[in-house]
Amino acid sequence: QKEVEQNSGPLSVPEGAIASLNCTYSDRGSQSFFWYRQYSGKSPELIMFIYSNGDKEDGRFTAQLNKASQYVSLLIRDSQPSDSATYLCAVGPVGGTYKYIFGTGTRLKVLA
Amino acid sequence: EAQVTQNPRYLITVTGKKLTVTCSQNMNHEYMSWYRQDPGLGLRQIYYSMNVEVTDKGDVPEGYKVSRKEKRNFPLILESPSPNQTSLYFCASSSQPTGPLNTEAFFGQGTRLTVV
Repeated sequence: QKEVEQNSGPLSVPEGAIASLNCTYSDRGSQSFFWYRQYSGKSPELIMFIYSNGDKEDGRFTAQLNKASQYVSLLIRDSQPSDSATYLCAVGPVGGTYKYIFGTGTRLKVLA
Repeated sequence: EAQVTQNPRYLITVTGKKLTVTCSQNMNHEYMSWYRQDPGLGLRQIYYSMNVEVTDKGDVPEGYKVSRKEKRNFPLILESPSPNQTSLYFCASSSQPTGPLNTEAFFGQGTRLTVV
């Protein structure tokens, strides 16, 4: 089992719809969970950070964390073509260290 | 402007020729990391640093060295580069290693390294 798993996609949603991106992780000791957006050829950009169980909302983005089930998700409401990118989930620290593990990312396509 | 600056952006080198990729941040962040990004493998952490003079291995440290003599700088050193180190490299910094105060994280622009 990979330490951080994401569906590679592509996930295609129509403009204006809700995009739901999921990430599961294996290290129960992890405390910090990040969602990054990466456009092709660009560096990752932090869009959400969540630390506690439950939901965290920031504009059109909602991050959801369930530590018991070891998953973290990202909802994008009113999806726009400009949201088309790869979304990376990062989890850490892992293994009793201060390492962070990234998933391989989910490619999102928002269709106009 | 908050930023992480990496140099160079592009580098082609030959096997065995030592090189250094520089990374500097202007946010007084404690935690800095180096990652490499390869198709199908995603971002993998090479080394990280908790603070000045405190560094530790990530998932793929073989063939790399780092140092953290000043808080703002975290260079990545390839003593004897090999073709399997051809990759896209990112430096990143964040305010804290973990916890609820860890609310900022920035990546540099990336360095595309080719070793022939």
